[in-house]
Amino acid sequence: TQLLEQSPQFLSIQEGENLTVYCNSSSVFSSLQWYRQEPGEGPVLLVTVVTGGEVKKLKRLTFQFGDARKDSSLHITAAQPGDTGLYLCAEMKTSYDKVIFGPGTSLSVIP
Amino acid sequence: DADVTQTPRNRITKTGKRIMLECSQTKGHDRMYWYRQDPGLGLRLIYYSFDVKDINKGEISDGYSVSRQAQAKFSLSLESAIPNQTALYFCATSGIPAYNEQFFGPGTRLTVL
Repeated sequence: TQLLEQSPQFLSIQEGENLTVYCNSSSVFSSLQWYRQEPGEGPVLLVTVVTGGEVKKLKRLTFQFGDARKDSSLHITAAQPGDTGLYLCAEMKTSYDKVIFGPGTSLSVIP
Repeated sequence: DADVTQTPRNRITKTGKRIMLECSQTKGHDRMYWYRQDPGLGLRLIYYSFDVKDINKGEISDGYSVSRQAQAKFSLSLESAIPNQTALYFCATSGIPAYNEQFFGPGTRLTVL
């Protein structure tokens, strides 16, 4: 069974700092999704990456897919309190019927 | 209005009771999913459905059952609730098979005493 690992599990930073969170697997991803979940709400899709080496930007968020498609990172520049939440990566299975979620990184941005 | 709705939002029940959680969507998606979320474990798939005649077990289906009443409605039942089913439950839909991007409801917080 392929497992998704995310690191760090918890991260607490000051407003204005930069941070990177990671998602790793022992096997190759067919595609990878990143979600953000705010307290009391369901996860919301941020981005899907498909091609090895791909980089996507969403305002202050930069998503990178590893060349070998076994890892991905999310970098946040100048974090704001509104970035607080649980960041989940998810892999779509090659059978195209479901996605598998990692355990998440819980981010707290302190004003 | 929300595209994916769940009822109830919160529920407290006792061991042995039957509970139904309901999910409705207005996105027109064929694929619907039920997940549970526990701290440190992420989201785990309980059941999923591609249409009203297609129901599939996920990784943790024991103790749960589902019904797909229509394209827009997918309900989850706990036939005899037990305390370790205390969790957050999320319904999700997906409309693009190529990437299976998930659109989640707001969740139901279930407590089994």
